[in-house]
Amino acid sequence: EPEVTQTPSHQVTQMGQEVILRCVPISNHLYFYWYRQILGQKVEFLVSFYNNEISEKSEIFDDQFSVERPDGSNFTLKIRSTKLEDSAMYFCASRVRDGNSPLHFGNGTRLTVT
Amino acid sequence: AQSVTQLGSHVSVSEGALVLLRCNYSSSVPPYLFWYVQYPNQGLQLLLKYTSAATLVKGINGFEAEFKKSETSFHLTKPSAHMSDAAEYFCAATSNAGGTSYGKLTFGQGTILTVHP
Repeated sequence: EPEVTQTPSHQVTQMGQEVILRCVPISNHLYFYWYRQILGQKVEFLVSFYNNEISEKSEIFDDQFSVERPDGSNFTLKIRSTKLEDSAMYFCASRVRDGNSPLHFGNGTRLTVT
Repeated sequence: AQSVTQLGSHVSVSEGALVLLRCNYSSSVPPYLFWYVQYPNQGLQLLLKYTSAATLVKGINGFEAEFKKSETSFHLTKPSAHMSDAAEYFCAATSNAGGTSYGKLTFGQGTILTVHP
């Protein structure tokens, strides 16, 4: 069965550094998402993306965050200048362009900011 | 704003016992509801979803959930727990039909299910 693939599985970075989290959604999916889960807290929506532009973003998704689909397969989340509070598990998800199709999630990237 | 509450951050059952994981939602309109499961070091896997076609929804691995509008609940059950059911379970909701908004989910805090031999 096709999967959403995320790399790396774990990333450690120093505060103030830029990080790029990478995702390869399922090939026929057209809607893309990023979620995050801070340790001990709920999974939170960050941003949705369709047709090469952001559809919706949460209050968390400030100017430090950006998303991009640089080619036909990858979907990336960039954090320009990481903060300690950005430490979390980041999940990529995708779904087909169908009213009731569910989200398919990747295994996540654990980001640790030191 | 919509919210999802899962009662009990940890649930422990014996193998073969009934599993009951509770989920309540708060929404001004009937939402679309989901249960996801997360095994260690894996992503969120869809167990089942409610989309208003039927109030009792059957999912994978023998799980089912019943939508009760009067109680604003969508509890997850399995008649007989198996050791392999040990995982974290998340209830999620969206009030949005179609488009990218349908994938904008509000999650509960998760319930860790432990199954004892």
